[in-house]
Formats: sequence, C-alpha cells, structure tokens
Amino acid sequence: EVQLVESGGGLVQPGGSLRLSCAASGFTFRSYWMNWVRQAPGKGLEWLANIKQDGSDKFYIDSVKGRFTISRDNAKNSLYLQMNSLRAEDTAVYYCVRKTPMVGDYFDYWGQGTLVTVSS
Amino acid sequence: ETVMTQSPATLSVSPGERATLSCRASQSVSSKLAWYQQKPGQAPRFLIYGASTRATGIPDRFSGSGSGTEFTLTISSLQSEDFAVYYCQQYNNWPWTFGQGTKVEIK
Repeated sequence: EVQLVESGGGLVQPGGSLRLSCAASGFTFRSYWMNWVRQAPGKGLEWLANIKQDGSDKFYIDSVKGRFTISRDNAKNSLYLQMNSLRAEDTAVYYCVRKTPMVGDYFDYWGQGTLVTVSS
Repeated sequence: ETVMTQSPATLSVSPGERATLSCRASQSVSSKLAWYQQKPGQAPRFLIYGASTRATGIPDRFSGSGSGTEFTLTISSLQSEDFAVYYCQQYNNWPWTFGQGTKVEIK
C-alpha cells in the first residue's frame, strides 16, 4: 500500500524557516517524480514544486522560487521541503504528492498533509 | 499561467440524483485534465485523468468529458460518500494549476 506521511509542520514567525519531511513507503520511491502541493485554510489547491527521480531537475512556482527548496533522499525514501523567509500567506496544509508513473503531471497518491502556520 | 475556473461553487443535490460540475480553462489544455475529490479533513483522492479516464477503483458513476477549455465531471447517481469538494487540475501548461473547487452538498 502506498503511503506518504508528512511531518515538520508547526507555528513559525514571519521571516522564519521550517523543513517539511515526507516518508514514502509501499512503492519504489526512487522511480517517481515527487511534488509538494499546498492548501491555504478554506482555499483551493496550489502546486508548489516537483523533483525528478534522481533529484537532478527541480521546478518551482514563482511565488516560492528562491525561498523554498525541494530535495529528496532516495536511500531514506524521503522527500523534503526547506522553507525560508516564510510569510503569512504561506500558511497552509502542505501535501506530499506522487506523480503518476504514466505520461502526464497528474497526481495519484497524496499524503494527509502537515499544517504550517506563519504568524507572530 | 492557466487559470482554471470551476462552477458552480456549491451544488446542492439529493442522493440518487445526477450532479454535473464544470471546469473551464483560460487557454487550451488539450485533454490534459484531472479531477480529484476531497472530503473534510482528508487528502484529495485521484478520480480521473486525460479528461475522461477513471483511475483504478473509481466507480463508473463518475465520468468526465471535454477537451480544450471546457470540461465536465458527472456523477450519475449521487451516493452519500460522494458529497465532497471536487477539484479539476490541468497538466498541459506549466505551472500545473487547479480550480478553486466545487462543493457538492446534500440538498
């Protein structure tokens, strides 16, 4: 069974940093593109970033580029999101998401999410 | 970026009735459109890809159609477990973008 379990969320002050982790199991992690998607309270979904199987390619939306860094450790079956210079508008539930093995960037498995609250 | 607009924001439907949800793209996304279902406090669940192909294990009461800029998700006979928020997502034009969701509620 595919499982994605996020951790690392919490309350952080504006300008602060946080590192999210995602532990993957039930599939061959190193064979999949992985993503982070977030959902602000009461809002819709927003794709943030993805990373290639071997970590050689990474892509970000403009609003987090230069502040957030996606990375992975295939030996540990883990995905990470380093978030710096956090803003109030970064408050959201952050989901670790697997891209389908098929052609196309749609998402077949999602974690339960971890809540990040940016507030003083 | 490609803006995805879903309508209506809320749809009130009685159990057993049909629900029709719309998703419009600000530019063509070909048939590269997916649908997800989200229940309160849960992660999204993958339903449909390629605008019309159901994911593994998704009941056939869920069907998708459309191409280009206009898409529809139809739930033929609503079951109690189908009351949720539904999101469309395009994966033709980077960055990948989602609609704001349609909430299907019990009438």
